[in-house]
Amino acid sequence: TQLLEQSPQFLSIQEGENLTVYCNSSSVFSSLQWYRQEPGEGPVLLVTVVTGGEVKKLKRLTFQFGDARKDSSLHITAAQPGDTGLYLCAGVGERGSTLGRLYFGRGTQLTVWP
Amino acid sequence: NAGVTQTPKFRILKIGQSMTLQCTQDMNHNYMYWYRQDPGMGLKLIYYSVGAGITDKGEVPNGYNVSRSTTEDFPLRLELAAPSQTSVYFCASSYRTGSSYNSPLHFGNGTRLTVT
Repeated sequence: TQLLEQSPQFLSIQEGENLTVYCNSSSVFSSLQWYRQEPGEGPVLLVTVVTGGEVKKLKRLTFQFGDARKDSSLHITAAQPGDTGLYLCAGVGERGSTLGRLYFGRGTQLTVWP
Repeated sequence: NAGVTQTPKFRILKIGQSMTLQCTQDMNHNYMYWYRQDPGMGLKLIYYSVGAGITDKGEVPNGYNVSRSTTEDFPLRLELAAPSQTSVYFCASSYRTGSSYNSPLHFGNGTRLTVT
């Protein structure tokens, strides 16, 4: 059972297009982290969102945490080939047996063609 | 600053063989983790440690063992390798205090293991 459902699993687009990746759950998280992973390397943190409704921007990347802290999205504007990689969301459990634990989605493999 | 260093980068094992995946970090992080990554499956937690001398199981601990004798090192041991353990293994670390659960993970570059 996957606590965090991430979609889509694969995304192949042309340079200049916009895209959105979603992470959804029925559980509440104390925070949501987004990582990017390139081939042969480990994931690297892009951003952490903590407050319900929070929006953070990182150049052309916009991250949003849902009001109820159960979901998050990553929107990329005018994608470039350098954005190619595996994007992973990870939620930090808020209560009970999940408290403090990090739960990863399955990842979205993004390919941006020139 | 090297961060999290994993060795080896690649390894091929025969069924039944044993090996240790090495992980060391130089950031004085108290938490350390071992994950495995299979295509399309995200990252699954194998074991983690909250400090030297303390380890605990994650989601998929069967077939693995760990130890944490120092803050810096967190080796992962496979005793009897099986084909199901073919995967990419990542070690990670983080610094957490009190109720600060939002600390990011710092990952090594992984060990690609094939068991045949």
